[in-house]
Amino acid sequence: QVHHVQSGAEVRKPGASVQVSCKASGYIFTNYVIHWVRQAPGQRLEWMGWITTANGKTKYSPTFQDRVTFTRDISATTAYMELHRLTSEDTAVYFCARGSESHMFFWGQGTLVTVSS
Amino acid sequence: EIVLTQSPDTLSLSPGERAVLSCRASQNVRDYFAWYQQKPGQGPRLLIYSASTRAAGIPARFSGSGSGTDFTLTIDSLEPEDFATYYCQLRWDWLSFGGGTRVE
Repeated sequence: QVHHVQSGAEVRKPGASVQVSCKASGYIFTNYVIHWVRQAPGQRLEWMGWITTANGKTKYSPTFQDRVTFTRDISATTAYMELHRLTSEDTAVYFCARGSESHMFFWGQGTLVTVSS
Repeated sequence: EIVLTQSPDTLSLSPGERAVLSCRASQNVRDYFAWYQQKPGQGPRLLIYSASTRAAGIPARFSGSGSGTDFTLTIDSLEPEDFATYYCQLRWDWLSFGGGTRVE
């Protein structure tokens, strides 16, 4: 059974960084892309980018590419998203999702990141 | 940048009725087009990909159609568990989502 278990809620001050993890199980980790998508309160879904788990290749949305980093640990079947230089506008639920380069087959439960002074 | 516009914002229907949700792209796109369902407090669930292919385990009452700039998600005979928010999504140089349609 496919599972994505994301790390717990985080609170950060403006200017700080945050890392969210996504532990995958129930499928061959390296066969899929992992997308990161966020959703601010009451807002639409916003795609941040993806990482090819087999070789670490990344594609970032222009909106985030200068302050986001995706990595993965194949042995731990875990993907990571790190967002830097946080502002209050980064307060959102962050999702990881398994998929192809075109869409997302299976989503995690989401991680709430709150940015507040 | 390709913008996706969903309509209507909210659809008020009763169980057993048909729901027709629309998504318009600001320019012609290929069929890297998908629909997702999201319920409060949950991550989205993929319903349709490649514009018209149902994802694994999705009931036959969900269907997708369209091409070019106009795409449609149809839910025949709404079940109680179908009341949720629906998002369209497109792959072009990047990926983007529509603003969502809430079915209530």
